[in-house]
Amino acid sequence: GNSVTQMEGPVTLSEEAFLTINCTYTATGYPSLFWYVQYPGEGLQLLLKATKADDKGSNKGFEATYRKETTSFHLEKGSVQVSDSAVYFCALSDLRNTGRRALTFGSGTRLQVQP
Amino acid sequence: SQTIHQWPATLVQPVGSPLSLECTVEGTSNPNLYWYRQAAGRGLQLLFYSVGIGQISSEVPQNLSASRPQDRQFILSSKKLLLSDSGFYLCAWSAEMTGGKGYTFGSGTRLTVV
Repeated sequence: GNSVTQMEGPVTLSEEAFLTINCTYTATGYPSLFWYVQYPGEGLQLLLKATKADDKGSNKGFEATYRKETTSFHLEKGSVQVSDSAVYFCALSDLRNTGRRALTFGSGTRLQVQP
Repeated sequence: SQTIHQWPATLVQPVGSPLSLECTVEGTSNPNLYWYRQAAGRGLQLLFYSVGIGQISSEVPQNLSASRPQDRQFILSSKKLLLSDSGFYLCAWSAEMTGGKGYTFGSGTRLTVV
């Protein structure tokens, strides 16, 4: 079945540092890929997405590129801020190949940015 | 615009008591609806999803059930709560079957079973 693997956290960075959160996936076909962010005490918000190979999703300074050859969708940001502290979830959707009308999420990676 | 409401925000219930969490969506029709659970220190686990009134798909056998009595209403229930039911419950909706546009999540319900 489909699965998503994320790097374990927490990831602790200083403000203005470069961020990478790794995400790899297993799927039978060509899934759509997503990054969601969860701020403390809140639900999840869609951060960015990519629907086909080589697409780059971007939002709020975050970027992720859909790499089919490495089955990866790593999240990056050039300069993090304290306000970026949150839990980040990688997810995939593969309805066309699995008939499963629901997203599969990774376990989440907690990011802590220190001033 | 579309909005999703989930309540209550927090709940403390004794073991063996019943549970009812409600989720409603406004501003759209025939949404796909989902219940996820996030246990402490763990990722998101899909519990149920629904593509229409009365249509419920269950992902894992457990102490919970779901119902969709109206198009934009999704209810998570239990007859007798267990300690292991504690967690953060999230309702979500999507308009597109393929999930290409992602989900919109509610603000969540933190359930503590004591």
